[in-house]
Amino acid sequence: DTAVSQTPKYLVTQMGNDKSIKCEQNLGHDTMYWYKQDSKKFLKIMFSYNNKELIINETVPNRFSPKSPDKAHLNLHINSLELGDSAVYFCASSYGTGAAGELFFGEGSRLTVL
Amino acid sequence: GESVGLHLPTLSVQEGDNSIINCAYSNSASDYFIWYKQESGKGPQFIIDIRSNMDKRQGQRVTVLLNKTVKHLSLQIAATQPGDSAVYFCAENEAGNMLTFGGGTRLMVKP
Repeated sequence: DTAVSQTPKYLVTQMGNDKSIKCEQNLGHDTMYWYKQDSKKFLKIMFSYNNKELIINETVPNRFSPKSPDKAHLNLHINSLELGDSAVYFCASSYGTGAAGELFFGEGSRLTVL
Repeated sequence: GESVGLHLPTLSVQEGDNSIINCAYSNSASDYFIWYKQESGKGPQFIIDIRSNMDKRQGQRVTVLLNKTVKHLSLQIAATQPGDSAVYFCAENEAGNMLTFGGGTRLMVKP
């Protein structure tokens, strides 16, 4: 049983396209996150949702739009993809808000923009 | 061997030796710290955590040391094995705020 699952694992697309990454967790957690990991392995928080409500929105271009249909799902839609969007995107979840505890990560979705 | 976890440095150790991975954290108000392990092609996984009211915590083959005076955290891995090869991240948290990750250190274990 995968605790945090995200699809697709790999995504190759052209500049200017729109793409989505889906995430689901079966841990019963209240809070879900999207992180971006660059080529130097640096992990940066993008968004955090608690019970379907946005609680953290770091400085991310508005081309990135998260959507949480229920507390077990947090999807990431990206419009007008740019070369700099190439990265590995990780979904994560935790109990409570503020990530004051352990985060459970998915396997990552590697996005390559050509 | 030792390494400071900035700009993804690499620590190379011989199988069976002990490893020490260091991390300098930035927020003196942080009260919770976690070490994560990220294997190639996978997401980060929890290894061990420590709260600021402690200076040492031990797990299975791993020990985390916290020095709040100099804002330093270290992860010690005893009898390092090939399966320990990964990138290791420290993360800090101030109550009510987000977990902030350090830059990571790559551990390579030579057989």
